[in-house]
Amino acid sequence: QSALTQPASVSGSPGQSITISCTGTSTDIGTYNRVSWYQQHPAKAPKLIIYDVSGRPSGISTRFSGSKSGNTASLTISGLQPEDEADYYCSSYTTRSTYVFGSGTEVTVL
Amino acid sequence: QVQVVQSGTEVKTPGASVKLSCKTSGYPFTKCAFQWVRQAPGQSLEWMGWISAAASGQTKYSQRFQDRVTITMDTSATTVYMDLRGLASEDTAVYYCAVETYITSCCHFDYWGQGTLVTVSS
Repeated sequence: QSALTQPASVSGSPGQSITISCTGTSTDIGTYNRVSWYQQHPAKAPKLIIYDVSGRPSGISTRFSGSKSGNTASLTISGLQPEDEADYYCSSYTTRSTYVFGSGTEVTVL
Repeated sequence: QVQVVQSGTEVKTPGASVKLSCKTSGYPFTKCAFQWVRQAPGQSLEWMGWISAAASGQTKYSQRFQDRVTITMDTSATTVYMDLRGLASEDTAVYYCAVETYITSCCHFDYWGQGTLVTVSS
């Protein structure tokens, strides 16, 4: 199972909105609405920020939102803040009952 | 508050095996599934396998690790273990245990351990 494809880096100024794409195939994102997103700060464990394409766990800012179209999922961060600077990974359940992660996107706040 | 505590740093020689542990508390162990995910230096996350305490210990492994990984659990100790055999330098990574609680739905990793660094070097 190949990794889901994400852009290597995305940047934006404070207050702006950015969107990170996550492209898979018909064996993962295209079949299930089981896409999740994780935020990882340097030397820290990943943290769940979106589940089931657009669900937000308790305590996660409404500035984080998710969507999906076909084989591609997207994470949007609105009102970008300095603390949003981190790596972001998507993940999807697959038709083999396994999971696959994305290649990761480094978000820089200018 | 769910807590996930992993065992400490390991240093192994090529060809050896390593067994990592992951102890959880704060939520019924038998309602959870447990994933193992690794991250090589500077690399992305990589899913290795899964054991479901909610499904009586059912396991599923990534094809990439199928032949050399075993995930087990001790319900009484609320602890999950991951055994990786035939270590090579490419297995040097931080290994994470992640808990799926099914509180909202399935198929995402709600809580993560702090990670265990495994270094493989001769």
